[in-house]
Amino acid sequence: GQQLNQSPQSMFIQEGEDVSMNCTSSSIFNTWLWYKQDPGEGPVLLIALYKAGELTSNGRLTAQFGITRKDSFLNISASIPSDVGIYFCAGRVNQGGKLIFGQGTELSVKP
Amino acid sequence: GAVVSQHPSWVICKSGTSVKIECRSLDFQATTMFWYRQFPKQSLMLMATSNEGSKATYEQGVEKDKFLINHASLTLSTLTVTSAHPEDSSFYICSASPRMNTGELFFGEGSRLTVL
Repeated sequence: GQQLNQSPQSMFIQEGEDVSMNCTSSSIFNTWLWYKQDPGEGPVLLIALYKAGELTSNGRLTAQFGITRKDSFLNISASIPSDVGIYFCAGRVNQGGKLIFGQGTELSVKP
Repeated sequence: GAVVSQHPSWVICKSGTSVKIECRSLDFQATTMFWYRQFPKQSLMLMATSNEGSKATYEQGVEKDKFLINHASLTLSTLTVTSAHPEDSSFYICSASPRMNTGELFFGEGSRLTVL
């Protein structure tokens, strides 16, 4: 079945540093979504990508939809303590279809 | 914005009892809702797709008689864990989209089930 490989699994960084995480797939996806999940809560949508090559920003967050449609990355610039959490990539083959999740990247930010 | 709400946020029950979790879309109508399950330190696993007015579609390995899904209206889907056992303890999260053709999916707050 379809799988998303997300890396790294965890990151420990200093406040102010930039962060980068990515997802790859053996299958083509037509939508890539990036979510952040805090402990005990549901995922919150950060960025949605719909076109191959698309680069989208949301504040300090920037995400890109890979040209091959098999990968995506998320960058966080100038990290702050509230960036702590688990970040998930998710992909969809068809609009309205199932959303497949990556394994998550746990981010820790040291003040 | 698109708001999805779940209730209860946490529940503790005895083994053998049934538990119902509600998922509501508060500011939009959702013909389709999705139910996910998440174990500690793991990713979200899709359990089933809930379709308004018709039967749910279950993922492989998910027992439909164990996890009953009812999508009776365009704003409400329910998940009932029947005859719950300790191994059913998990974080259950629902999701929905106000515009299925855009691909965005919004999640509820999640419901933590603990079966004693």
